[in-house]
Amino acid sequence: DGGITQSPKYLFRKEGQNVTLSCEQNLNHDAMYWYRQDPGQGLRLIYYSQIVNDFQKGDIAEGYSVSREKKESFPLTVTSAQKNPTAFYLCASSPTGATNYGYTFGSGTRLTVV
Amino acid sequence: AQTVTQSQPEMSVQEAETVTLSCTYDTSESDYYLFWYKQPPSRQMILVIRQEAYKQQNATENRFSVNFQKAAKSFSLKISDSQLGDAAMYFCAYRSAWDNYGQNFVFGPGTRLSVLP
Repeated sequence: DGGITQSPKYLFRKEGQNVTLSCEQNLNHDAMYWYRQDPGQGLRLIYYSQIVNDFQKGDIAEGYSVSREKKESFPLTVTSAQKNPTAFYLCASSPTGATNYGYTFGSGTRLTVV
Repeated sequence: AQTVTQSQPEMSVQEAETVTLSCTYDTSESDYYLFWYKQPPSRQMILVIRQEAYKQQNATENRFSVNFQKAAKSFSLKISDSQLGDAAMYFCAYRSAWDNYGQNFVFGPGTRLSVLP
């Protein structure tokens, strides 16, 4: 079945450490997105990519970095510059141009700073 | 910029009863799509229902239906015959018909629905 796989499900980070969250999709979608979800808040866009080797900052990109070397993969690195990284991270994808299409989401990664 | 508001942070419903979740949005566009997503305790976001703004007919999906009032910019979700599995966070979302790459998908803050046995 087609879908989005995020790993790991839970991740613990020490202060000053960079960590990378994985997101892989087999839906053949061009566009991919990373969202951050905090308790009591909606989803906030971190980065998005419309096509391989291209990505754009979202509303809260500071302290995060991404790459898009393959259509299927869009990993997110949470750097030590991110002051408050503890949150739930969701990856999503969408076909380009199909504006009636919602997102397909992964199952998320819960990141905790220890 | 578009905004989506969900004025009910929490709601509860008795099993088998009907509940309506509210959503309002602000936009100057005439062509767009509206969505309701469900996020159960597993945290997986699941698309519940979508509505095209150019369609007057309200969308329905089994026990889920919407009341779309374009002039009032209102998009409420009605859940009939509520089941324990309906307990989740529900997000209302907006997407412009011109948002080809999906970077302007706007989500509301969510409504947490509890279903009481």
